[in-house]
Amino acid sequence: RKEVEQDPGPFNVPEGATVAFNCTYSNSASQSFFWYRQDCRKEPKLLMSVYSSGNEDGRFTAQLNRASQYISLLIRDSKLSDSATYLCVVNILRTGNQFYFGTGTSLTVIP
Amino acid sequence: DADVTQTPRNRITKTGKRIMLECSQTKGHDRMYWYRQDPGLGLRLIYYSFDVKDINKGEISDGYSVSRQAQAKFSLSLESAIPNQTALYFCATSDQIAGGLETQYFGPGTRLLVL
Repeated sequence: RKEVEQDPGPFNVPEGATVAFNCTYSNSASQSFFWYRQDCRKEPKLLMSVYSSGNEDGRFTAQLNRASQYISLLIRDSKLSDSATYLCVVNILRTGNQFYFGTGTSLTVIP
Repeated sequence: DADVTQTPRNRITKTGKRIMLECSQTKGHDRMYWYRQDPGLGLRLIYYSFDVKDINKGEISDGYSVSRQAQAKFSLSLESAIPNQTALYFCATSDQIAGGLETQYFGPGTRLLVL
């Protein structure tokens, strides 16, 4: 079973729309959670960390549900520049303290 | 200037050749990682190092080796390249901060094609 699972999409939404991505993780020992953004053929870049109480950064809102072991990302008022692949990332505190990446959810914002 | 650099950015090689991918960082981080990315599989960890004397295997280390020459340098070698090692390779760094939250920072990637 994969440590992190995401719906690969693609999500095609019009400008101004609200879109939500979900991600599930399998290991209850997971410690830290992140959303990364990856543009085509570029490196992943941190979009935001996900805190237990939920957190917001401008048009982006991240939520964590430890009981159900899922993480969500909500993007409001989508812009063309939001088109990218969004990676869900989990850090598990065990021997190795490794990061586990989802396969990513593809978003295209359409004019 | 980029904080995490990788060389080469693109490489074409033949089956059986030994090649080395290099990573350098100016962030001063202790922790460095090598990942490969394949379509539909996401990023998978090859090796990681928490300091110069610490090297650990990741999920898919077979066929690869690494060297941590200094805090700032972490090299990945393919001893005898094979076509299924064709992928996009990323180096990353991280540093543990107060509260235990780490963030990874990635290099621009090396695109490797093994013929």
